[in-house]
Amino acid sequence: DSGVTQTPKHLITATGQRVTLRCSPRSGDLSVYWYQQSLDQGLQFLIQYYNGEERAKGNILERFSAQQFPDLHSELNLSSLELGDSALYFCASSPRWKNTGELFFGEGSRLTVL
Amino acid sequence: KNEVEQSPQNLTAQEGEFITINCSYSVGISALHWLQQHPGGGIVSLFMLSSGKKKHGRLIATINIQEKHSSLHITASHPRDSAVYICAVTQGGSEKLVFGKGTKLTVNP
Repeated sequence: DSGVTQTPKHLITATGQRVTLRCSPRSGDLSVYWYQQSLDQGLQFLIQYYNGEERAKGNILERFSAQQFPDLHSELNLSSLELGDSALYFCASSPRWKNTGELFFGEGSRLTVL
Repeated sequence: KNEVEQSPQNLTAQEGEFITINCSYSVGISALHWLQQHPGGGIVSLFMLSSGKKKHGRLIATINIQEKHSSLHITASHPRDSAVYICAVTQGGSEKLVFGKGTKLTVNP
């Protein structure tokens, strides 16, 4: 158990819909990272938050947004969903703001868009 | 060409064999991570390296910064080592983690 909790574990929805994925980091970790893993693209970095502020942005679509709340949990919002958004979405946390420390991954949220 | 290349893509071994997975990268990095992803999908961080060598149980990871190359070794492999092993690098001056496509390891009893 990494100590990182992601909900929901599985989600099936339709094109055009909006979903919210939630991540609770390990106790005390200030950094939260979001990653997308699809069959054709592999793992890709989406976005990082540190102590409530956005620190780095990767290949995140404009239809996607994220935030980190004062209690340090984070949410990834995916809107106007397309078939190609079907993927595993991972959250990871780290005690540091720099991506040079160990990362602790959640179990992932599997999104299926029909 | 991908910024992070792993070889081999697939690897099948017999229980007890010594395993080596390679990772080459083309960008300046501040750290390199080795991750393990089990068939159920969960990802576990095995090592984070910025230089030299690290060992944890039967796993050894090495990195050569000058040659931009890292290796993950598994000694006395076991069927429970069957998983996808992913190399990822943190680009220097960035928080962006760039991933290799992974090496699928199958260890047969």
